[in-house]
Amino acid sequence: EPEVTQTPSHQVTQMGQEVILRCVPISNHLYFYWYRQILGQKVEFLVSFYNNEISEKSEIFDDQFSVERPDGSNFTLKIRSTKLEDSAMYFCASKGSGANVLTFGAGSRLTVL
Amino acid sequence: AQSVSQHNHHVILSEAASLELGCNYSYGGTVNLFWYVQYPGQHLQLLLKYFSGDPLVKGIKGFEAEFIKSKFSFNLRKPSVQWSDTAEYFCAVNVKAAGNKLTFGGGTRVLVKP
Repeated sequence: EPEVTQTPSHQVTQMGQEVILRCVPISNHLYFYWYRQILGQKVEFLVSFYNNEISEKSEIFDDQFSVERPDGSNFTLKIRSTKLEDSAMYFCASKGSGANVLTFGAGSRLTVL
Repeated sequence: AQSVSQHNHHVILSEAASLELGCNYSYGGTVNLFWYVQYPGQHLQLLLKYFSGDPLVKGIKGFEAEFIKSKFSFNLRKPSVQWSDTAEYFCAVNVKAAGNKLTFGGGTRVLVKP
């Protein structure tokens, strides 16, 4: 069964450092998403991406965040200058056209010290 | 904006017990409804979904959920749980008029004792 893969599975970084989280969506999917889950809290929507541009973003997704699809397979989330409160599990998801079901990756746990 | 509430944060039960997890959402329009499960150390997996039609939806692993429009609810049930059902369960809603964004409930952590 096709999977969404995410790397790294766990990253520890110092406050103020840049972090890039990588995702390889399912190959024929066209819609891409990032969600995050702070420990003990809800899974929160960050951003959706379609046709090489952001289609929707939440208020969490401020100027410190950016997304990119640098090639035909990867979908990345960059946090420019990490803060302690960015510590969370970040989930990538993708969806095919005509479908209403997101397929999630296993997540990347980010710890900011 | 829509919101999703899951009433129980933690549920502990024994094998063979019945499970029901509550989910309520706040949105008056047309919605798609989902239950996702996250087993320890694994990714979110779709258990079942409701788009339209029969409000009683059957999913994988013996789970089912019932959409009650008048109560804005989509409760998850399983008649007899197994130890392997230990996981965190998330209800999620997608508002059809608002694109593909999912709004999640807070999750319910279920521990099934052998």
